[in-house]
Amino acid sequence: EVQLVESGGGLVQPGGSLRLSCAASGFTFSSYEMNWVRQAPGKGLEWVSYISSSGSTIYYADSVKGRFTISRDNAKNSLYLQMNSLRAEDTAVYYCARDLPAMVTFDYWGQGTLVTVSS
Amino acid sequence: QSALTQPASVSGSPGQSITISCTGTSSDVGGYNYVSWYQQHPGKAPKLMIYEVSNRPSGVPDRFSGSKSGNTASLTISGLQAEDEADYYCSSYTSSSPHVVFGGGTKLTVL
Repeated sequence: EVQLVESGGGLVQPGGSLRLSCAASGFTFSSYEMNWVRQAPGKGLEWVSYISSSGSTIYYADSVKGRFTISRDNAKNSLYLQMNSLRAEDTAVYYCARDLPAMVTFDYWGQGTLVTVSS
Repeated sequence: QSALTQPASVSGSPGQSITISCTGTSSDVGGYNYVSWYQQHPGKAPKLMIYEVSNRPSGVPDRFSGSKSGNTASLTISGLQAEDEADYYCSSYTSSSPHVVFGGGTKLTVL
Protein backbone atom coordinates (compact mmCIF):
# COMPACT_ATOMS: atom_id res chain seq x y z
CA GLU A 1 0.00 0.00 0.00
CA VAL A 2 1.34 3.40 -1.00
CA GLN A 3 1.82 5.69 2.00
CA LEU A 4 3.09 9.23 2.23
CA VAL A 5 3.49 10.70 5.71
CA GLU A 6 4.42 14.34 6.17
CA SER A 7 5.97 15.79 9.31
CA GLY A 8 7.75 18.91 10.49
CA GLY A 9 4.94 21.43 10.45
CA GLY A 10 4.27 23.83 13.28
CA LEU A 11 4.16 27.44 14.38
CA VAL A 12 6.98 29.69 13.21
CA GLN A 13 7.53 33.45 13.31
CA PRO A 14 7.67 35.53 10.14
CA GLY A 15 11.17 35.38 8.69
CA GLY A 16 11.79 32.01 10.29
CA SER A 17 12.60 28.62 8.80
CA LEU A 18 11.09 25.17 8.85
CA ARG A 19 11.95 21.85 7.22
CA LEU A 20 9.18 19.51 6.16
CA SER A 21 9.70 15.81 5.57
CA CYS A 22 7.66 13.22 3.72
CA ALA A 23 8.30 9.54 4.39
CA ALA A 24 7.30 7.27 1.53
CA SER A 25 6.54 3.56 1.62
CA GLY A 26 4.76 0.90 -0.40
CA PHE A 27 6.41 1.77 -3.72
CA THR A 28 9.84 2.22 -5.30
CA PHE A 29 10.39 5.81 -4.22
CA SER A 30 13.47 6.32 -6.38
CA SER A 31 11.42 5.72 -9.55
CA TYR A 32 8.87 8.47 -8.97
CA GLU A 33 8.79 12.22 -9.37
CA MET A 34 7.44 14.01 -6.32
CA ASN A 35 5.78 17.32 -5.50
CA TRP A 36 4.73 19.59 -2.67
CA VAL A 37 1.26 21.13 -2.87
CA ARG A 38 -0.18 23.49 -0.27
CA GLN A 39 -3.60 24.70 0.79
CA ALA A 40 -4.13 27.85 2.81
CA PRO A 41 -6.96 27.68 5.37
CA GLY A 42 -10.29 27.77 3.54
CA LYS A 43 -8.58 28.22 0.19
CA GLY A 44 -7.77 26.15 -2.88
CA LEU A 45 -4.80 24.01 -3.82
CA GLU A 46 -1.53 25.59 -4.89
CA TRP A 47 1.33 23.63 -6.45
CA VAL A 48 4.60 24.54 -4.71
CA SER A 49 7.48 22.47 -6.07
CA TYR A 50 8.48 19.45 -8.17
CA ILE A 51 11.52 17.19 -8.12
CA SER A 52 12.41 14.48 -10.62
CA SER A 53 13.12 10.92 -9.55
CA SER A 54 16.90 11.47 -9.54
CA GLY A 55 16.67 14.98 -8.13
CA SER A 56 18.31 16.47 -11.20
CA THR A 57 15.28 18.52 -12.29
CA ILE A 58 13.50 20.90 -9.93
CA TYR A 59 10.74 23.47 -10.40
CA TYR A 60 9.23 26.02 -8.03
CA ALA A 61 6.15 28.19 -8.01
CA ASP A 62 7.02 31.86 -8.37
CA SER A 63 5.56 32.51 -4.91
CA VAL A 64 8.27 30.42 -3.20
CA LYS A 65 11.20 30.65 -5.61
CA GLY A 66 14.37 31.69 -3.84
CA ARG A 67 12.95 30.90 -0.39
CA PHE A 68 12.04 27.21 -0.54
CA THR A 69 14.28 24.27 -1.48
CA ILE A 70 13.00 20.84 -2.41
CA SER A 71 15.23 17.79 -2.07
CA ARG A 72 15.03 14.04 -1.70
CA ASP A 73 17.02 11.15 -0.28
CA ASN A 74 16.20 8.03 -2.27
CA ALA A 75 18.19 5.85 0.13
CA LYS A 76 15.88 6.98 2.94
CA ASN A 77 12.69 7.06 0.83
CA SER A 78 12.19 10.64 1.89
CA LEU A 79 11.20 13.97 0.37
CA TYR A 80 12.00 17.32 1.98
CA LEU A 81 11.01 20.96 1.75
CA GLN A 82 13.29 23.52 3.36
CA MET A 83 11.34 26.72 3.88
CA ASN A 84 13.21 29.94 4.68
CA SER A 85 12.13 33.57 5.05
CA LEU A 86 8.62 32.43 5.86
CA ARG A 87 5.73 34.85 5.45
CA ALA A 88 2.20 34.92 6.81
CA GLU A 89 0.92 33.96 3.37
CA ASP A 90 2.86 30.70 3.55
CA THR A 91 0.47 29.51 6.24
CA ALA A 92 -1.11 26.36 4.84
CA VAL A 93 -1.41 22.61 5.01
CA TYR A 94 1.48 21.21 3.00
CA TYR A 95 0.94 17.94 1.16
CA CYS A 96 3.52 15.75 -0.52
CA ALA A 97 2.15 14.15 -3.65
CA ARG A 98 3.44 11.46 -5.98
CA ASP A 99 3.47 12.02 -9.72
CA LEU A 100 1.73 9.50 -11.94
CA PRO A 101 4.55 8.79 -14.40
CA ALA A 102 4.49 11.00 -17.50
CA MET A 103 0.99 12.22 -16.69
CA VAL A 104 1.69 15.43 -14.76
CA THR A 105 -0.88 14.39 -12.21
CA PHE A 106 -0.79 13.49 -8.53
CA ASP A 107 -2.00 9.97 -7.86
CA TYR A 108 -1.20 9.67 -4.15
CA TRP A 109 -1.20 12.34 -1.46
CA GLY A 110 -0.10 12.42 2.13
CA GLN A 111 -2.39 13.56 4.94
CA GLY A 112 -0.67 16.94 5.10
CA THR A 113 1.18 18.92 7.75
CA LEU A 114 0.08 22.37 8.94
CA VAL A 115 2.52 25.27 8.82
CA THR A 116 1.45 28.42 10.63
CA VAL A 117 3.50 31.59 10.20
CA SER A 118 2.56 34.09 12.87
CA SER A 119 4.11 36.27 15.53
CA GLN B 1 -6.50 34.53 -8.55
CA SER B 2 -6.23 30.94 -9.80
CA ALA B 3 -4.82 30.19 -13.23
CA LEU B 4 -7.78 27.95 -14.14
CA THR B 5 -11.35 29.15 -13.71
CA GLN B 6 -13.99 26.98 -12.06
CA PRO B 7 -17.48 27.86 -10.82
CA ALA B 8 -17.49 28.43 -7.08
CA SER B 9 -20.38 26.08 -6.50
CA VAL B 10 -22.73 23.64 -8.19
CA SER B 11 -25.56 21.59 -6.80
CA GLY B 12 -27.77 18.70 -7.77
CA SER B 13 -30.22 16.21 -6.37
CA PRO B 14 -29.45 12.53 -5.80
CA GLY B 15 -29.59 10.64 -9.08
CA GLN B 16 -29.11 13.71 -11.20
CA SER B 17 -26.05 14.65 -13.28
CA ILE B 18 -23.88 17.71 -12.86
CA THR B 19 -20.99 19.16 -14.82
CA ILE B 20 -18.13 21.27 -13.49
CA SER B 21 -16.17 23.36 -15.96
CA CYS B 22 -12.51 24.31 -15.87
CA THR B 23 -11.38 27.07 -18.22
CA GLY B 24 -7.78 27.84 -19.03
CA THR B 25 -5.78 28.93 -22.04
CA SER B 26 -3.87 27.45 -24.95
CA SER B 27 -0.81 27.34 -22.66
CA ASP B 28 -2.43 24.84 -20.34
CA VAL B 29 -5.85 23.17 -20.76
CA GLY B 30 -6.14 23.88 -24.47
CA GLY B 31 -2.60 22.91 -25.36
CA TYR B 32 -2.14 19.64 -23.53
CA ASN B 33 -4.14 16.59 -22.49
CA TYR B 34 -2.73 16.69 -18.97
CA VAL B 35 -5.93 17.75 -17.25
CA SER B 36 -6.75 16.11 -13.93
CA TRP B 37 -9.61 16.32 -11.45
CA TYR B 38 -9.40 15.85 -7.68
CA GLN B 39 -12.08 15.32 -5.05
CA GLN B 40 -11.51 16.66 -1.54
CA HIS B 41 -13.74 16.03 1.44
CA PRO B 42 -13.45 18.40 4.43
CA GLY B 43 -10.29 17.81 6.43
CA LYS B 44 -9.04 15.17 4.02
CA ALA B 45 -6.33 15.01 1.38
CA PRO B 46 -7.32 15.38 -2.26
CA LYS B 47 -8.09 12.20 -4.21
CA LEU B 48 -7.38 11.76 -7.91
CA MET B 49 -10.59 11.14 -9.85
CA ILE B 50 -9.65 11.80 -13.49
CA TYR B 51 -6.31 12.14 -15.28
CA GLU B 52 -5.29 12.84 -18.88
CA VAL B 53 -8.66 14.55 -19.45
CA SER B 54 -10.82 11.43 -19.32
CA ASN B 55 -9.03 8.50 -17.67
CA ARG B 56 -10.23 7.10 -14.36
CA PRO B 57 -7.83 5.55 -11.87
CA SER B 58 -8.67 2.11 -10.60
CA GLY B 59 -11.42 2.25 -7.99
CA VAL B 60 -13.06 5.47 -9.19
CA PRO B 61 -16.71 4.82 -10.12
CA ASP B 62 -17.62 5.16 -13.80
CA ARG B 63 -20.19 7.76 -12.73
CA PHE B 64 -17.25 10.17 -12.97
CA SER B 65 -16.19 11.20 -16.46
CA GLY B 66 -14.03 13.91 -18.00
CA SER B 67 -13.86 15.69 -21.32
CA LYS B 68 -12.28 18.70 -22.99
CA SER B 69 -13.20 21.13 -25.72
CA GLY B 70 -10.78 23.87 -26.65
CA ASN B 71 -9.58 25.65 -23.53
CA THR B 72 -12.30 24.20 -21.29
CA ALA B 73 -12.28 20.87 -19.52
CA SER B 74 -15.30 19.37 -17.80
CA LEU B 75 -16.01 16.87 -15.06
CA THR B 76 -19.39 15.18 -15.19
CA ILE B 77 -20.82 13.20 -12.30
CA SER B 78 -23.88 11.15 -13.17
CA GLY B 79 -26.22 9.45 -10.72
CA LEU B 80 -25.26 11.85 -7.94
CA GLN B 81 -24.86 10.31 -4.51
CA ALA B 82 -24.66 11.93 -1.11
CA GLU B 83 -21.00 10.95 -0.74
CA ASP B 84 -20.13 12.94 -3.86
CA GLU B 85 -20.63 16.14 -1.86
CA ALA B 86 -17.12 17.60 -1.72
CA ASP B 87 -14.80 20.17 -3.24
CA TYR B 88 -13.51 19.44 -6.74
CA TYR B 89 -10.34 20.85 -8.25
CA CYS B 90 -9.04 20.70 -11.79
CA SER B 91 -5.37 20.94 -12.67
CA SER B 92 -3.35 21.13 -15.83
CA TYR B 93 0.21 21.07 -17.00
CA THR B 94 1.26 24.52 -18.14
CA SER B 95 4.00 25.53 -20.52
CA SER B 96 4.41 28.79 -18.68
CA SER B 97 5.60 29.11 -15.11
CA PRO B 98 4.70 27.31 -12.91
CA HIS B 99 4.80 23.59 -13.75
CA VAL B 100 1.21 22.75 -12.77
CA VAL B 101 -1.75 25.02 -12.21
CA PHE B 102 -4.94 24.37 -10.27
CA GLY B 103 -8.41 25.75 -10.56
CA GLY B 104 -9.92 27.62 -7.65
CA GLY B 105 -12.15 24.69 -6.72
CA THR B 106 -15.88 24.00 -6.94
CA LYS B 107 -18.04 23.08 -3.98
CA LEU B 108 -20.56 20.41 -4.94
CA THR B 109 -23.69 20.26 -2.83
CA VAL B 110 -25.97 17.25 -3.09
CA LEU B 111 -29.42 18.55 -2.20
